[in-house]
Amino acid sequence: GQQLNQSPQSMFIQEGEDVSMNCTSSSIFNTWLWYKQEPGEGPVLLIALYKAGELTSNGRLTAQFGITRKDSFLNISASIPSDVGIYFCAGRAQGGSEKLVFGKGTKLTVNP
Amino acid sequence: EAQVTQNPRYLITVTGKKLTVTCSQNMNHEYMSWYRQDPGLGLRQIYYSMNVEVTDKGDVPEGYKVSRKEKRNFPLILESPSPNQTSLYFCASSFGVGEGEQYFGPGTRLTVT
Repeated sequence: GQQLNQSPQSMFIQEGEDVSMNCTSSSIFNTWLWYKQEPGEGPVLLIALYKAGELTSNGRLTAQFGITRKDSFLNISASIPSDVGIYFCAGRAQGGSEKLVFGKGTKLTVNP
Repeated sequence: EAQVTQNPRYLITVTGKKLTVTCSQNMNHEYMSWYRQDPGLGLRQIYYSMNVEVTDKGDVPEGYKVSRKEKRNFPLILESPSPNQTSLYFCASSFGVGEGEQYFGPGTRLTVT
């Protein structure tokens, strides 16, 4: 089946640092989504990408849909303690299916 | 407020005792789905529904049932729960096939002893 490789698995950074994480796929996707999950909560959508090459920002977050349609990255600038959580990428393959394939997540820890 | 709700949020039960986890969305979404989340395995889809009375198996459907009698509700049924179904469960919904993002409920933590 389709798989997403998300890296890194975990990150420990200092407040104020920039963060970058990415996802790669073995197949082409027509949608990339980035979610954040905090302890005890469900994943919350951060950014949705629908076109190859698309670069979208949401506050301090920026995500891009790779030109090859097989990858995406998420950057967080000037991290703050409330950025702590697990970040998931998710992709939807071509063919009209609604099925999302999820990465295993990147656990972010921000030290004040 | 647009949201997906799940009940209960926490449940401890015993092997073999039938249970239902409810899911409801108020966004008039056609597509609804159930996932389970386990350490190291990420989110795995259990069942999904494209519309009322239309359901299909996801990646890990064994031991689960669902129904979609109304557009807003998509309950998850465990007829005879077993300890390997101890997990964190999420319901999600979206407008439809290829149309927009999936929104997740807050989760139900199930423990089967």
